Amino acid sequence: DAGVTQSPTHLIKTRGQQVTLRCSPKSGHDTVSWYQQALGQGPQFIFQYYEEEERQRGNFPDRFSGHQFPNYSSELNVNALLLGDSALYLCASSFARGGEQYFGPGTRLTVT
Amino acid sequence: GQSLEQPSEVTAVEGAIVQINCTYQTSGFYGLSWYQQHDGGAPTFLSYNALDGLEETGRFSSFLSRSDSYGYLLLQELQMKDSASYFCAVHPGSARQLTFGSGTQLTVLP
Repeated sequence: DAGVTQSPTHLIKTRGQQVTLRCSPKSGHDTVSWYQQALGQGPQFIFQYYEEEERQRGNFPDRFSGHQFPNYSSELNVNALLLGDSALYLCASSFARGGEQYFGPGTRLTVT
Repeated sequence: GQSLEQPSEVTAVEGAIVQINCTYQTSGFYGLSWYQQHDGGAPTFLSYNALDGLEETGRFSSFLSRSDSYGYLLLQELQMKDSASYFCAVHPGSARQLTFGSGTQLTVLP
């Protein structure tokens, strides 16, 4: 039983570019949440997707957008990249009814 | 808003017991979770408390006092592999986002 998977593992982009990160949830899970983790900090909630719709959103600008597909996988898109967007981006999956969130290994994004 | 406070660093020796405290201020509260994260790795779920009291899972235990907005993670019989960052995280509501503390870096010395 595969856990949460994310791709790519590492990514280097230039300021102003756009990036797409991908996540496949743990088998059976229908809800995907995205978090941003800066070095030395705890993960910060970006948004959560359920039934292909954004169900909740944290304090992140509209440059951050997402999508969930019918198979529950999800994408995180970031436009007009800033240096401050450099971080580890984590995807977590869970059941909509609640319970433990399982995290993927993350995508390390470096913006230069 | 939400805020959580936990010590930034804790050091202990192998075989010892260590307690990592977490205090929180949140506009909603459904439960408190603890996660472990090794350098470069994914956060791994350790425990969850929704009600007051102690939850035990092997060498790890977690405690919650809702009236005091306080919880702790207790690690017993410390091993070198327990060296990692430990995060407390509040569930403001069921099946909703987690709000994490800044993490406690635990170093276990031989």
